[in-house]
Amino acid sequence: GENVEQHPSTLSVQEGDSAVIKCTYSDSASNYFPWYKQELGKGPQLIIDIRSNVGEKKDQRIAVTLNKTAKHFSLHITETQPEDSAVYFCAAYTGGFKTIFGAGTRLFVKA
Amino acid sequence: GAVVSQHPSRVICKSGTSVKIECRSLDFQATTMFWYRQFPKQSLMLMATSNEGSKATYEQGVEKDKFLINHASLTLSTLTVTSAHPEDSSFYICSASGALGGRVLNTEAFFGQGTRLTVV
Repeated sequence: GENVEQHPSTLSVQEGDSAVIKCTYSDSASNYFPWYKQELGKGPQLIIDIRSNVGEKKDQRIAVTLNKTAKHFSLHITETQPEDSAVYFCAAYTGGFKTIFGAGTRLFVKA
Repeated sequence: GAVVSQHPSRVICKSGTSVKIECRSLDFQATTMFWYRQFPKQSLMLMATSNEGSKATYEQGVEKDKFLINHASLTLSTLTVTSAHPEDSSFYICSASGALGGRVLNTEAFFGQGTRLTVV
């Protein structure tokens, strides 16, 4: 089955700097890759996603890139702000409505 | 986007009692709902998948009789933790996929706010 690995587990950046979180997946049939932000005590919230027919997608300060050949995708947050501090999960959708999540990255943005 | 409401957000119960958690899709038809469990500082662990009107499919290692799931309508799924014990204390999260405004949301799962269950 699908396996999603996510790195780093913890990331600390200075306000205004960029943050990059990387994920790899194992199942070449995966075709949809969402990213979720989870704040303390809340459910995950979809922040951006990318489908396998696209290499890059951007939405204001966040962007996601996908390399199908290498089976990895990354989340890029530019001009980070303290409110970006949260846990971020990548995920891969393998069909059958099943989504496999990465282990999560705890992002700290220091003011 | 689609809205999923989960209730209650927090519940404390005594050991041996049962607790019901509700997950509602407010503005779309949730043909499929998912129940996750999340331990502190860990990722989401899928417990079961339920399709409206049929029995839930449980992941390996999840006790069916312990975690009862009902998905009787296109807008509501419930998770009942039966005879709860302290080790059942956790953060439970639901998500839903389905159709919104004629558009099929096959791959976009929308999450509820989560329920913090504490068994004392």
